[in-house]
Amino acid sequence: GAGVSQSPSNKVTEKGKDVELRCDPISGHTALYWYRQRLGQGLEFLIYFQGNSAPDKSGLPSDRFSAERTGESVSTLTIQRTQQEDSAVYLCASSPGVGTQYFGPGTRLTVL
Amino acid sequence: SQELEQSPQSLIVQEGKNLTINCTSSKTLYGLYWYKQKYGEGLIFLMMLQKGGEEKSHEKITAKLDEKKQQSSLHITASQPSHAGIYLCGADLTGDKIIFGKGTRLHILP
Repeated sequence: GAGVSQSPSNKVTEKGKDVELRCDPISGHTALYWYRQRLGQGLEFLIYFQGNSAPDKSGLPSDRFSAERTGESVSTLTIQRTQQEDSAVYLCASSPGVGTQYFGPGTRLTVL
Repeated sequence: SQELEQSPQSLIVQEGKNLTINCTSSKTLYGLYWYKQKYGEGLIFLMMLQKGGEEKSHEKITAKLDEKKQQSSLHITASQPSHAGIYLCGADLTGDKIIFGKGTRLHILP
């Protein structure tokens, strides 16, 4: 497809388990963002990749969170030792540079 | 501290009425983006503003960026049930990444 895709769409996990969330950006988009959206809340910036530059990790809430991106393609967001407070929708967006972002449908994470 | 403030946080409006949502920053905005999110769905891009004093319209939605490029308003004329949702402003404050406000939840009463 031509849009940003994310997988899985839903993830239910037990507290303490690790999870990996995947984002496939639009081909050719150099910028990739991860955001977290808690129920009824706005978007909380997590991490930003731009080309081959070092990622901006300033939004990661703790060292349990990490993300990688392979070149200008797929990105994975990993949450280790999940906590109930990690339950949220995790949104990925890509853009051609600094500009209009195109969002994926999100991954709804539920930590029991 | 929140670098981008949206107001109001929540808004309930009678169908057919006009409404305004604001987005304010203490820093100069390199670019300002408005998105709409229907409840339980993804984000839909509405408009992007870059120049001081710029104004754009799409159907019954008009967005403006002030001359100082620190505040934007989104105005909906003759609101309809289809306008209900969460409106998010995103801004480029540093010339690289985009951050978002907390959103305004809009409810339209029939």
